[in-house]
Amino acid sequence: QVNLQESGPGLVKPSETLSLTCNVSGASISRYYWTWIRQPPGKGLEWIGYVFFSGSTGYNPSLKSRATISLQSSKSQFSLSLRAVTAADTAVYYCVRRNYDLYYMDVWGKGTMVAVSS
Amino acid sequence: QPVLTQPPSVSGAPGQRVTISCTGSSSNIGAGHAVFWYQQFPGTAPRLLIYGNTNRPSGVPDRFSGSKSGTSASLAITGLRAEDEADYYCQSYDNALSGSGVFGGGTKLTVL
Repeated sequence: QVNLQESGPGLVKPSETLSLTCNVSGASISRYYWTWIRQPPGKGLEWIGYVFFSGSTGYNPSLKSRATISLQSSKSQFSLSLRAVTAADTAVYYCVRRNYDLYYMDVWGKGTMVAVSS
Repeated sequence: QPVLTQPPSVSGAPGQRVTISCTGSSSNIGAGHAVFWYQQFPGTAPRLLIYGNTNRPSGVPDRFSGSKSGTSASLAITGLRAEDEADYYCQSYDNALSGSGVFGGGTKLTVL
């Protein structure tokens, strides 16, 4: 059974960097897009970006200048770094597996709440 | 502002049929990108309901069906049950956003 588990600080100060890691178990890192999605409290889902098993990345243009997603294949992990955060970045962050050819997101982590506050 | 447009809420009585619309544009749904639907219960992660416009993953009841036409898509739920009460999101990809994934704003389904 494939399992994704997010980890990282639950509180980040404004202007600092939000860093999250997703641990992948029960599946190979190969041939998938590893994706981050977020959901502000009481609001809808927002696509952040992905890293492919080859290392290539793609981002939501609205976050591209602040976000970096990377893969640590040897550890079966991938990570998100979001710089210069503000209160608007307060959200539940999900790590998600996206299918290689049909592009559906079929495995989701439980999500981790990150609040941006001083 | 979500790129894809969904009604904020829909409702129906048990046993009835409801549909949730998802309206996009020529750069996403109309460009031929597939549409996906996700179901989300409060406090939990979304669950894939429909992929490739019309396909159900194993374990999803056939009461759920998807369709697509032009720049829009729809999710239909027949034989409505109390346990279907949840938020539903459509998702696609957008050429105008460098192929980024885009979501609808979500629709709250209430079973009366």
